[in-house]
Amino acid sequence: DAGVTQSPTHLIKTRGQQVTLRCSPKSGHDTVSWYQQALGQGPQFIFQYYEEEERQRGNFPDRFSGHQFPNYSSELNVNALLLGDSALYLCASSRTDADGYTFGSGTRLTVV
Amino acid sequence: RKEVEQDPGPFNVPEGATVAFNCTYSNSASQSFFWYRQDCRKEPKLLMSVYSSGNEDGRFTAQLNRASQYISLLIRDSKLSDSATYLCVVNKRANDYKLSFGAGTTVTVRA
Repeated sequence: DAGVTQSPTHLIKTRGQQVTLRCSPKSGHDTVSWYQQALGQGPQFIFQYYEEEERQRGNFPDRFSGHQFPNYSSELNVNALLLGDSALYLCASSRTDADGYTFGSGTRLTVV
Repeated sequence: RKEVEQDPGPFNVPEGATVAFNCTYSNSASQSFFWYRQDCRKEPKLLMSVYSSGNEDGRFTAQLNRASQYISLLIRDSKLSDSATYLCVVNKRANDYKLSFGAGTTVTVRA
Protein backbone atom coordinates (compact mmCIF):
# COMPACT_ATOMS: atom_id res chain seq x y z
CA ASP A 1 0.00 0.00 0.00
CA ALA A 2 1.75 3.11 -1.25
CA GLY A 3 1.89 5.99 1.15
CA VAL A 4 2.07 9.64 0.17
CA THR A 5 4.47 10.26 -2.70
CA GLN A 6 6.07 13.64 -3.31
CA SER A 7 8.26 14.80 -6.14
CA PRO A 8 10.89 15.99 -6.59
CA THR A 9 12.76 15.20 -3.38
CA HIS A 10 15.17 18.11 -3.74
CA LEU A 11 15.09 21.25 -5.81
CA ILE A 12 17.29 24.30 -6.21
CA LYS A 13 15.80 27.43 -7.73
CA THR A 14 16.87 31.02 -8.23
CA ARG A 15 15.12 34.02 -6.67
CA GLY A 16 12.22 35.16 -8.84
CA GLN A 17 11.66 31.80 -10.47
CA GLN A 18 8.55 29.67 -10.21
CA VAL A 19 8.33 26.11 -8.88
CA THR A 20 5.77 23.30 -8.97
CA LEU A 21 5.77 20.52 -6.39
CA ARG A 22 3.69 17.36 -6.73
CA CYS A 23 1.94 15.02 -4.36
CA SER A 24 0.12 11.72 -4.78
CA PRO A 25 -2.02 10.89 -1.76
CA LYS A 26 -2.23 7.58 0.02
CA SER A 27 -4.62 5.12 -1.55
CA GLY A 28 -8.15 5.74 -0.27
CA HIS A 29 -7.44 9.33 0.74
CA ASP A 30 -9.31 12.17 -0.94
CA THR A 31 -7.92 15.25 0.82
CA VAL A 32 -4.50 16.84 0.43
CA SER A 33 -2.90 19.46 2.67
CA TRP A 34 0.36 21.28 2.12
CA TYR A 35 2.72 22.46 4.84
CA GLN A 36 5.91 24.49 4.84
CA GLN A 37 8.59 23.63 7.40
CA ALA A 38 11.46 26.06 7.79
CA LEU A 39 14.62 24.89 9.54
CA GLY A 40 14.10 24.57 13.28
CA GLN A 41 10.36 25.26 13.05
CA GLY A 42 7.24 23.17 13.05
CA PRO A 43 5.29 22.72 9.82
CA GLN A 44 3.03 25.64 8.90
CA PHE A 45 -0.28 25.04 7.11
CA ILE A 46 -0.42 26.44 3.59
CA PHE A 47 -3.76 25.12 2.32
CA GLN A 48 -5.97 22.07 1.96
CA TYR A 49 -7.66 20.73 -1.15
CA TYR A 50 -10.80 18.63 -1.26
CA GLU A 51 -13.01 17.86 -4.28
CA GLU A 52 -10.60 19.84 -6.45
CA GLU A 53 -11.26 23.03 -4.47
CA GLU A 54 -9.17 24.92 -1.95
CA ARG A 55 -11.12 24.27 1.22
CA GLN A 56 -8.98 26.20 3.69
CA ARG A 57 -5.95 28.44 3.48
CA GLY A 58 -3.31 29.45 5.99
CA ASN A 59 -1.44 32.74 6.25
CA PHE A 60 0.50 32.50 3.02
CA PRO A 61 0.60 35.08 0.21
CA ASP A 62 -1.09 34.62 -3.13
CA ARG A 63 2.26 33.58 -4.60
CA PHE A 64 1.39 30.18 -3.19
CA SER A 65 -1.29 28.43 -5.18
CA GLY A 66 -2.40 24.90 -5.69
CA HIS A 67 -4.49 22.47 -7.58
CA GLN A 68 -6.10 19.12 -7.02
CA PHE A 69 -6.81 16.74 -9.86
CA PRO A 70 -9.70 14.27 -10.25
CA ASN A 71 -7.43 11.43 -9.13
CA TYR A 72 -6.87 13.38 -5.85
CA SER A 73 -3.24 14.18 -6.59
CA SER A 74 -2.17 17.75 -6.01
CA GLU A 75 0.32 20.40 -7.01
CA LEU A 76 1.74 23.32 -5.08
CA ASN A 77 2.94 26.26 -7.13
CA VAL A 78 5.08 29.08 -5.80
CA ASN A 79 5.71 32.14 -7.95
CA ALA A 80 8.36 34.83 -7.64
CA LEU A 81 10.47 32.78 -5.26
CA LEU A 82 12.14 34.50 -2.33
CA LEU A 83 15.11 33.32 -0.32
CA GLY A 84 12.72 32.88 2.61
CA ASP A 85 10.76 30.26 0.67
CA SER A 86 13.61 27.83 1.23
CA ALA A 87 12.08 25.06 3.33
CA LEU A 88 10.85 21.50 3.44
CA TYR A 89 7.42 21.30 1.79
CA LEU A 90 5.28 18.52 3.15
CA CYS A 91 2.15 17.03 1.68
CA ALA A 92 -0.31 15.29 3.98
CA SER A 93 -3.24 13.24 2.81
CA SER A 94 -6.34 12.17 4.68
CA ARG A 95 -9.88 10.96 4.26
CA THR A 96 -12.37 13.71 4.77
CA ASP A 97 -14.61 11.48 6.88
CA ALA A 98 -11.87 10.25 9.19
CA ASP A 99 -9.11 11.51 11.43
CA GLY A 100 -5.53 10.81 10.67
CA TYR A 101 -3.05 12.39 8.31
CA THR A 102 -0.24 10.66 6.46
CA PHE A 103 2.73 12.79 5.50
CA GLY A 104 4.95 12.40 2.50
CA SER A 105 8.71 12.60 2.88
CA GLY A 106 8.68 16.13 1.53
CA THR A 107 10.38 18.25 -1.10
CA ARG A 108 13.37 20.21 0.09
CA LEU A 109 13.40 23.52 -1.79
CA THR A 110 16.45 25.75 -1.74
CA VAL A 111 16.19 29.24 -3.23
CA VAL A 112 19.51 30.89 -4.06
CA ARG B 1 1.25 34.52 20.61
CA LYS B 2 1.99 31.21 18.92
CA GLU B 3 -0.86 28.70 18.75
CA VAL B 4 1.30 25.91 20.11
CA GLU B 5 4.43 26.42 22.18
CA GLN B 6 6.98 23.83 23.21
CA ASP B 7 10.21 23.81 25.17
CA PRO B 8 12.74 23.24 22.37
CA GLY B 9 15.14 21.34 24.64
CA PRO B 10 17.36 19.64 23.90
CA PHE B 11 16.75 16.99 26.51
CA ASN B 12 19.86 14.82 26.77
CA VAL B 13 19.14 11.67 28.76
CA PRO B 14 20.91 8.33 29.32
CA GLU B 15 19.40 5.10 28.09
CA GLY B 16 16.81 3.79 30.51
CA ALA B 17 15.94 7.22 31.89
CA THR B 18 12.52 8.82 31.97
CA VAL B 19 12.01 12.08 30.15
CA ALA B 20 8.93 14.28 30.11
CA PHE B 21 8.02 17.53 28.43
CA ASN B 22 4.99 19.69 27.81
CA CYS B 23 3.43 21.93 25.27
CA THR B 24 0.82 24.64 25.68
CA TYR B 25 -1.86 25.69 23.22
CA SER B 26 -3.61 29.02 23.01
CA ASN B 27 -7.01 28.20 21.52
CA SER B 28 -9.45 26.81 24.05
CA ALA B 29 -11.66 25.60 21.16
CA SER B 30 -9.07 23.00 20.22
CA GLN B 31 -10.53 19.51 20.03
CA SER B 32 -7.87 17.08 18.83
CA PHE B 33 -4.37 16.66 20.16
CA PHE B 34 -1.46 14.60 18.93
CA TRP B 35 2.21 13.92 19.38
CA TYR B 36 4.19 13.43 16.20
CA ARG B 37 7.77 12.28 15.96
CA GLN B 38 10.16 13.69 13.39
CA ASP B 39 13.59 12.28 12.69
CA CYS B 40 16.27 14.52 11.23
CA ARG B 41 15.30 15.68 7.73
CA LYS B 42 12.39 13.26 7.55
CA GLU B 43 8.62 13.69 7.58
CA PRO B 44 6.56 13.84 10.80
CA LYS B 45 5.00 10.56 11.82
CA LEU B 46 2.11 10.15 14.24
CA LEU B 47 3.31 8.87 17.58
CA MET B 48 0.01 8.95 19.40
CA SER B 49 -3.25 10.79 19.79
CA VAL B 50 -3.92 12.39 23.16
CA TYR B 51 -7.24 11.74 24.85
CA SER B 52 -8.86 13.66 27.67
CA SER B 53 -8.43 10.84 30.14
CA GLY B 54 -4.77 10.39 29.26
CA ASN B 55 -3.44 7.39 27.40
CA GLU B 56 -0.46 5.08 27.16
CA ASP B 57 1.17 3.36 24.25
CA GLY B 58 3.93 1.11 25.49
CA ARG B 59 6.62 3.29 27.03
CA PHE B 60 4.86 6.51 26.03
CA THR B 61 2.24 8.28 28.15
CA ALA B 62 0.33 11.35 27.04
CA GLN B 63 -1.77 13.62 29.22
CA LEU B 64 -4.12 16.46 28.39
CA ASN B 65 -5.07 19.25 30.76
CA ARG B 66 -7.85 21.27 29.14
CA ALA B 67 -8.20 23.69 32.03
CA SER B 68 -4.57 24.77 31.77
CA GLN B 69 -4.37 24.11 28.04
CA TYR B 70 -1.32 21.93 28.08
CA ILE B 71 -0.35 18.50 26.81
CA SER B 72 2.46 16.35 28.10
CA LEU B 73 4.46 13.41 26.85
CA LEU B 74 6.43 11.06 29.07
CA ILE B 75 8.87 8.49 27.75
CA ARG B 76 9.88 5.69 30.11
CA ASP B 77 12.93 3.45 29.79
CA SER B 78 14.38 5.59 26.99
CA LYS B 79 16.01 3.83 24.05
CA LEU B 80 18.63 5.18 21.67
CA SER B 81 15.97 4.96 18.96
CA ASP B 82 13.80 7.47 20.83
CA SER B 83 16.21 10.23 19.81
CA ALA B 84 14.11 12.55 17.67
CA THR B 85 12.16 15.79 17.65
CA TYR B 86 8.70 15.48 19.16
CA LEU B 87 6.06 17.78 17.72
CA CYS B 88 2.96 18.78 19.64
CA VAL B 89 0.00 19.13 17.29
CA VAL B 90 -3.43 20.63 17.85
CA ASN B 91 -6.53 20.73 15.67
CA LYS B 92 -9.71 22.66 16.28
CA ARG B 93 -11.94 20.52 14.04
CA ALA B 94 -15.34 22.18 13.51
CA ASN B 95 -14.54 22.96 9.85
CA ASP B 96 -10.98 23.98 10.72
CA TYR B 97 -8.88 21.38 9.01
CA LYS B 98 -5.39 22.63 9.67
CA LEU B 99 -3.00 21.00 12.08
CA SER B 100 -1.18 23.53 14.25
CA PHE B 101 2.32 22.37 15.10
CA GLY B 102 4.68 23.40 17.81
CA ALA B 103 8.31 23.95 16.88
CA GLY B 104 9.27 20.66 18.49
CA THR B 105 11.18 19.33 21.49
CA THR B 106 14.46 17.61 20.72
CA VAL B 107 15.32 14.51 22.72
CA THR B 108 18.72 12.84 22.54
CA VAL B 109 19.20 9.51 24.29
CA ARG B 110 22.84 8.61 24.92
CA ALA B 111 24.35 5.21 25.56
